[in-house]
Amino acid sequence: EDKVVQSPLSLVVHEGDTVTLNCSYEVTNFRSLLWYKQEKKAPTFLFMLTSSGIEKKSGRLSSILDKKELFSILNITATQTGDSAIYLCALVINFGNEKLTFGTGTRLTIIP
Amino acid sequence: SQTIHQWPATLVQPVGSPLSLECTVEGTSNPNLYWYRQAAGRGLQLLFYSVGIGQISSEVPQNLSASRPQDRQFILSSKKLLLSDSGFYLCAWSWGVSSGNTIYFGEGSWLTVV
Repeated sequence: EDKVVQSPLSLVVHEGDTVTLNCSYEVTNFRSLLWYKQEKKAPTFLFMLTSSGIEKKSGRLSSILDKKELFSILNITATQTGDSAIYLCALVINFGNEKLTFGTGTRLTIIP
Repeated sequence: SQTIHQWPATLVQPVGSPLSLECTVEGTSNPNLYWYRQAAGRGLQLLFYSVGIGQISSEVPQNLSASRPQDRQFILSSKKLLLSDSGFYLCAWSWGVSSGNTIYFGEGSWLTVV
């Protein structure tokens, strides 16, 4: 079965620290990789990555995809308590298929 | 702009009772619609998706069914709930994930089967 593995499963850091969240996968041919932030209820969209080596950036968050090594990272600099959430990555694995395959997520907790 | 609503937000149901979760999308036409389930400690699992009225694709065999009676309405149902049906259910919409579009989620429905 296609796998998406996120690490670490849980991370606790102090406000102001920089964190790197990992998403690795075992699929060599996929359409896109997406990152979501889930605070209490609905996951909210962060990034969509389709090309290797091109960084996507939004404020203190950035993400990049490495198709050769089969992973993506999500970086958050100068973390704030509002960054506390579960971060999910997902793959659109099959062209023509509407299924998103999600990882189990990384639970990030920012301590004031 | 597009919005998605689902209800009820929280539901406690006895084993063997029926279920109906509803989802509607506003501000767009002919969206793709999805039902996901998020069990504790696990990622989101796609249950059903629909690319049009009356068109339902099921991803996993289970005790649930889905229907799309109108263009922007998606319903998740069960005739008899099992304990294992407990979880967080998310409705979502997209202009087509396989076409490179992202997916947008509703606020979710917490279902506890007792």
